[in-house]
Amino acid sequence: NAGVTQTPKFQVLKTGQSMTLQCAQDMNHNSMYWYRQDPGMGLRLIYYSASEGTTDKGEVPNGYNVSRLNKREFSLRLESAAPSQTSVYFCASSEAVIDTDTQYFGPGTRLTVL
Amino acid sequence: RKEVEQDPGPFNVPEGATVAFNCTYSNSASQSFFWYRQDCRKEPKLLMSVYSSGNEDGRFTAQLNRASQYISLLIRDSKLSDSATYLCVVNYPFNFGNEKLTFGTGTRLTIIP
Repeated sequence: NAGVTQTPKFQVLKTGQSMTLQCAQDMNHNSMYWYRQDPGMGLRLIYYSASEGTTDKGEVPNGYNVSRLNKREFSLRLESAAPSQTSVYFCASSEAVIDTDTQYFGPGTRLTVL
Repeated sequence: RKEVEQDPGPFNVPEGATVAFNCTYSNSASQSFFWYRQDCRKEPKLLMSVYSSGNEDGRFTAQLNRASQYISLLIRDSKLSDSATYLCVVNYPFNFGNEKLTFGTGTRLTIIP
């Protein structure tokens, strides 16, 4: 089992460019999440998907869109990247959206927007 | 007040020593509490959940104090491999009954040989 995988691992964008971060899990989990981690801020929830076919905004959704493509895959899209979106992005999954469930994280994508 | 507050450290502790971290949370309605571990430039991983009665997993002990709204993590007989950042995580209600996990900024621990 690979667990949660993310691509790419690193990315550099120019302001205004778009890109999609990919995430997949092979644990048959229902719920998936996108977080960003910035120095001194802790992880912050961008979007989550409680189950296949549903997505909801988290704490910091502005500037992002998501797609739950199927049960395994949950992508995060930046339509017009801004320097403020320079961050480390983590995808996570859990059995259910009940917060007591363990969340399993992917290895992260380090994004720099120039 | 931040939802979850931790002392960022760093804590530099000799191998074999005992070290303890505290974390305070602001929402008295929070029901679920966790400690996650994050190694440098890696993803967070669950270390342990924190139960009302307190719980122990080997050298690690977690405690919850609801009255004072803090949780603690005690590491005994610390090992070099314990060097990491420890994230305090608390559930937090938002958006019409939805809940989310709120992550502290982490406490950095370095075990010195």
